[in-house]
Amino acid sequence: GQQVMQIPQYQHVQEGEDFTTYCNSSTTLSNIQWYKQRPGGHPVFLIQLVKSGEVKKQKRLTFQFGEAKKNSSLHITATQTTDVGTYFCAARFGNEKLTFGTGTRLTIIP
Amino acid sequence: ETGVTQTPRHLVMGMTNKKSLKCEQHLGHNAMYWYKQSAKKPLELMFVYNFKEQTENNSVPSRFSPECPNSSHLFLHLHTLQPEDSALYLCASSQSTQGQRYGYTFGSGTRLTVV
Repeated sequence: GQQVMQIPQYQHVQEGEDFTTYCNSSTTLSNIQWYKQRPGGHPVFLIQLVKSGEVKKQKRLTFQFGEAKKNSSLHITATQTTDVGTYFCAARFGNEKLTFGTGTRLTIIP
Repeated sequence: ETGVTQTPRHLVMGMTNKKSLKCEQHLGHNAMYWYKQSAKKPLELMFVYNFKEQTENNSVPSRFSPECPNSSHLFLHLHTLQPEDSALYLCASSQSTQGQRYGYTFGSGTRLTVV
């Protein structure tokens, strides 16, 4: 089946530093979604990107969809302790089901 | 509450037991999913139901048996499980299986331990 690669697997940052996670596919995506899972919690939908080159912002979070619709990124500016968790991308190929990335686990050093 | 309720939250069962996981959604969604989440592994899709009909079985062993009596309820029947089946089992729902705008809504999950 189709796969989407997500990097890095882990990221430890000092509070206040920025954080970025990336998702990459070898084939064109229909759309891509991002989810956050807090420790001990369940994935929570953050956003969906559909258009080539799309950029969306949610407060300190910036989501981008590549021009070729093969990659996406999530950037957090000035991380806070509440940002701790695992961030997943979920890609859709054509009309197929969502394919989740392996996730990036973010830990914050106070 | 997320609108998707899973019970029980925790379950410990022996390898010879039979148990069931329950999922209920109050969002008016038409598609429901079972996922397995193990440590250090991505979310693994197990089953997909769309308008009560199973549309996908992702090569899941027969010791896992899903049931979807209506669009709001989903069950996962478990029997003769193995220790490697210990994981977090997540139920999710969405408006449809294609092209929805708002993503999947996940339940809080059932933490299953097989002893």
